[in-house]
Amino acid sequence: QSALTQPPSASGSPGQSVTISCTGTSSDVGGYDYVSWYQQHPGKAPKLMIYGVNKRPSGVPDRFAGSKSGNTASLTVSGLQAEDEADYYCSSHAGSKNLFGGGTKLTVL
Amino acid sequence: EVQLLESGGGLVQPGGSLRLSCAASGFTFSNWAMAWVRQAPGEGLEWVSSISESGSPYYIDSVKGRFTISRDNSKNTLHLQLNSLRAEDTAVYYCARGLRGEYDYWGPGTLVTVSS
Repeated sequence: QSALTQPPSASGSPGQSVTISCTGTSSDVGGYDYVSWYQQHPGKAPKLMIYGVNKRPSGVPDRFAGSKSGNTASLTVSGLQAEDEADYYCSSHAGSKNLFGGGTKLTVL
Repeated sequence: EVQLLESGGGLVQPGGSLRLSCAASGFTFSNWAMAWVRQAPGEGLEWVSSISESGSPYYIDSVKGRFTISRDNSKNTLHLQLNSLRAEDTAVYYCARGLRGEYDYWGPGTLVTVSS
């Protein structure tokens, strides 16, 4: 099963909002509400930012928001800050497997 | 404080074996599903295997029959036995806590390099 599809890059200026998409199929993103998003800085382990499509773990700023429509999930980062520059990965449950997206490099201009 | 710490990575020849371990602390290990996720150099994340609280294993197709996930609840430790290793298995292997692709804690990772 192929990875979920994400744009390779996204960018925005400080204070702006940016949305990253994650497209799958009805067998993964569209079929389950187990979509999560991870932030990864260079050389570091991934950090959970969103789970259950739109839930934020404790400590994650409310500038990060998740949503889903059909087979596509989205992560919106509002009020961009320099520390948001990182790679972002979506993930979805897919029955007996779990899938990740190819990752999106977010650049804060 | 939840902590996960992987060990056992290293350089191995194609066809060789390694056993990765993940020592867990700060939570009731037996109550949680666990997973291994890998990241090849310069590449994205790839789910490899999960094990439920009751010990049911799940694998990505490319490692079925070669990798075995297990857990020792008495020692709060997760394992991944890697056999018949291939160059494409070269990656940092992360241990993570959670289920259905939702992993709330991750270890720092251990590097596995498959090369002659």
